[in-house]
Amino acid sequence: DTAVSQTPKYLVTQMGNDKSIKCEQNLGHDTMYWYKQDSKKFLKIMFSYNNKELIINETVPNRFSPKSPDKAHLNLHINSLELGDSAVYFCASSLRFGGGADQPQHFGDGTRLSIL
Amino acid sequence: SQQGEEDPQALSIQEGENATMNCSYKTSINNLQWYRQNSGRGLVHLILIRSNEREKHSGRLRVTLDTSKKSSSLLITASRAADTASYFCATTSGANSKLTFGKGITLSVRP
Repeated sequence: DTAVSQTPKYLVTQMGNDKSIKCEQNLGHDTMYWYKQDSKKFLKIMFSYNNKELIINETVPNRFSPKSPDKAHLNLHINSLELGDSAVYFCASSLRFGGGADQPQHFGDGTRLSIL
Repeated sequence: SQQGEEDPQALSIQEGENATMNCSYKTSINNLQWYRQNSGRGLVHLILIRSNEREKHSGRLRVTLDTSKKSSSLLITASRAADTASYFCATTSGANSKLTFGKGITLSVRP
């Protein structure tokens, strides 16, 4: 069983479209994250949710809206896609939030978003 | 902002040799973690070292942490072709779980 699964794996779409990426974890973790990895492999956190509550919101355009219907799911909706949104988006989870953060994060295999 | 800086950016070695990768960071940390990323896959957690620890081992991995120099090293002993991957260091600071990643090191192990 995949611990953190993301769908779709590949997403190719036109500029200006709206798209969603879904993430689910079956580890029973409280905390979930979205990261963006650019073409140079630089990985940057975008959002984090703890038990469905938004706790980290980095400087991300408001075209990006995360939604957590329950603590096992964290989806990412992107409006009005731009060329610069092309990247690999990773979902991750960890057992809990805070407390010095001595918990490893478990990553999905990523969603490769290409904007034409 | 970027916290960790790995060095070298790319490393190519022969199978059986040891691989040493370094990471430097800028601010005080709670812990430092190393992750591996195989091509086309997500990151996999390798090892975590807390700010009050100096050395940690896990199988063929050895991690050191020098908080006075704000640096860490990851040693992979007796490397294998399957160790070919990108390796990232990441740090956490303060009260939250935010991981700040370095740029990564590409390790190639030639059979």
